[in-house]
Amino acid sequence: AQKITQTQPGMFVQEKEAVTLDCTYDTSDPSYGLFWYKQPSSGEMIFLIYQGSYDQQNATEGRYSLNFQKARKSANLVISASQLGDSAMYFCAMREVDMGRRALTFGSGTRLQVQP
Amino acid sequence: EPEVTQTPSHQVTQMGQEVILRCVPISNHLYFYWYRQILGQKVEFLVSFYNNEISEKSEIFDDQFSVERPDGSNFTLKIRSTKLEDSAMYFCASSVPGLAYEQYFGPGTRLTVT
Repeated sequence: AQKITQTQPGMFVQEKEAVTLDCTYDTSDPSYGLFWYKQPSSGEMIFLIYQGSYDQQNATEGRYSLNFQKARKSANLVISASQLGDSAMYFCAMREVDMGRRALTFGSGTRLQVQP
Repeated sequence: EPEVTQTPSHQVTQMGQEVILRCVPISNHLYFYWYRQILGQKVEFLVSFYNNEISEKSEIFDDQFSVERPDGSNFTLKIRSTKLEDSAMYFCASSVPGLAYEQYFGPGTRLTVT
């Protein structure tokens, strides 16, 4: 089974609107972390936001927020007030903390295109 | 702001040749990683390194791969005998101790095996 599933290969959003990128995960580890990274066309991986499995509140970082629904095993990224510079690939990733593992497992990504 | 750097940005090599990809992690980070991304696919974990030894590796990281921290700043990935399927973007990353912290990625090295 896929550990991280991103079901939207591509998304379009109008500038200044909000967009939600979906991510579901699968783990039996009670302790884990969820991450979102942005990959612009230039190729680098830019960290956006982190949510720990025991965090009581949803993470927020500027225009990025993470809609964490633990029972549903989903960690959707919400980008508010989209900008043209938000056009990129977005990857959801998970770290399963059991036994101190540090490897990130990535989803297949969602390509977001922001339209003027 | 400190950043992870990688050299070269693009490496072209012939099948069967050895390549060394270089990375300079962020200076106060203690954990180092290599990931790869075949064109158009997801990012895949290769190996993590801590305290001068491999702490975790994936099934991709077989005997043709090795990592080394030859001095206090560099972290290298060696591919002994490259294959066509090794063509990918290779990312180095580093992080501080503490499992809640993000991994900072370098800009990547695009490896093309011909």
